[in-house]
Amino acid sequence: AQSVAQPEDQVNVAEGNPLTVKCTYSVSGNPYLFWYVQYPNRGLQFLLKYITGDNLVKGSYGFEAEFNKSQTSFHLKKPSALVSDSALYFCAVRDIGPRYSSASKIIFGSGTRLSIRP
Amino acid sequence: DTGVSQDPRHKITKRGQNVTFRCDPISEHNRLYWYRQTLGQGPEFLTYFQNEAQLEKSRLLSDRFSAERPKGSFSTLEIQRTEQGDSAMYLCASSFPGKETQYFGPGTRLLVL
Repeated sequence: AQSVAQPEDQVNVAEGNPLTVKCTYSVSGNPYLFWYVQYPNRGLQFLLKYITGDNLVKGSYGFEAEFNKSQTSFHLKKPSALVSDSALYFCAVRDIGPRYSSASKIIFGSGTRLSIRP
Repeated sequence: DTGVSQDPRHKITKRGQNVTFRCDPISEHNRLYWYRQTLGQGPEFLTYFQNEAQLEKSRLLSDRFSAERPKGSFSTLEIQRTEQGDSAMYLCASSFPGKETQYFGPGTRLLVL
């Protein structure tokens, strides 16, 4: 079964410092990986995805993620954190759908709360 | 059309009552998904539609839950005889044919008293 794990419940970073939010995955076949962000009392916003190609994926708001096949990781990174980056971040993987459809659900990790202090 | 919309945004109900939520996907998105998110957890899949066909349902979707997408556009999620354990955020998402990215609505927060 497809799954992702986020080993850190919370990450604290000072504004201006680089940040990393960790994610590891377990999949059958090629992984389709995502990062979403959730601000308080709001739905999820898509940040970026990896399907194929370059291992470094660039996304919204200056975020990027590095796909590492040997370590089965897909860590989210940003060179310089902003206070406004404080939110809940979810790593996710596309599940294998039924044979009769190319659509499939997304399986989410448990989330990592990112807190950026001024 | 700027995104997925959901109505209502908040719902408070008494145990045993029925509730219905609506989701309007992004135009031309033929796939529509429902997820449930409880406090401190990631969203969990409930069901999804391709056009009007409901293609997959999670075991989380008990007999009290039913979802429809009659014309392949908006969708409704009904919970009958609500229980306190149904209290959660119900999220709707949609995606374009052939694309993997799902775009989420703001969610409906349900509180069952």
